[in-house]
Amino acid sequence: NAGVTQTPKFQVLKTGQSMTLQCAQDMNHNSMYWYRQDPGMGLRLIYYSASEGTTDKGEVPNGYNVSRLNKREFSLRLESAAPSQTSVYFCASSGSRQGLGVYTFGSGTRLTVV
Amino acid sequence: QQQVKQSPQSLIVQKGGISIINCAYENTAFDYFPWYQQFPGKGPALLIAIRPDVSEKKEGRFTISFNKSAKQFSLHIMDSQPGDSATYFCAASIGQGYSTLTFGKGTMLLVSP
Repeated sequence: NAGVTQTPKFQVLKTGQSMTLQCAQDMNHNSMYWYRQDPGMGLRLIYYSASEGTTDKGEVPNGYNVSRLNKREFSLRLESAAPSQTSVYFCASSGSRQGLGVYTFGSGTRLTVV
Repeated sequence: QQQVKQSPQSLIVQKGGISIINCAYENTAFDYFPWYQQFPGKGPALLIAIRPDVSEKKEGRFTISFNKSAKQFSLHIMDSQPGDSATYFCAASIGQGYSTLTFGKGTMLLVSP
């Protein structure tokens, strides 16, 4: 099915370890996003890529890096994981022809840092 | 980014009742207001959206009411069903140029049988 695919679905890291969350979309969308979801905090934007070749910081970028590998793929890297990064991470994409604000989300990666 | 304030944080409604979730915004440049629905273990999905040139939009049992002067908008779920139990997020964005969505903090709705 067309959509946004995130891997892995679950991950447990030790403090200080690094990892990369992968995201790929097959809808030919221009824009891609990484959000984290925490109880009572809603969805907070970490980084986004308005188009291939560009990336920008969102509301909570500290401790993260991103790479827009090509139009389809947008990865999120934690260089040195901290317990405060325990969260559910969502990748999303949107296409300019759909109109702004029509995001398609992946099913999420549940990350626990111990 | 400008904030979108959402209330209540959680809501319990009996089957057949009306669920109402409210949002308020500050940035008058916002001109697109979607609502997203999220079921446990899933990503959010677009439910319904409105632009400020209309005061109401209805899709089935779901209605958005928009009050531009008060900078408020709300989601009404008529004849609420247990299958509507989910977390609902309001959001806003600026239509001109490029802008990201600003989300409210979410409302966890439970419809009791």
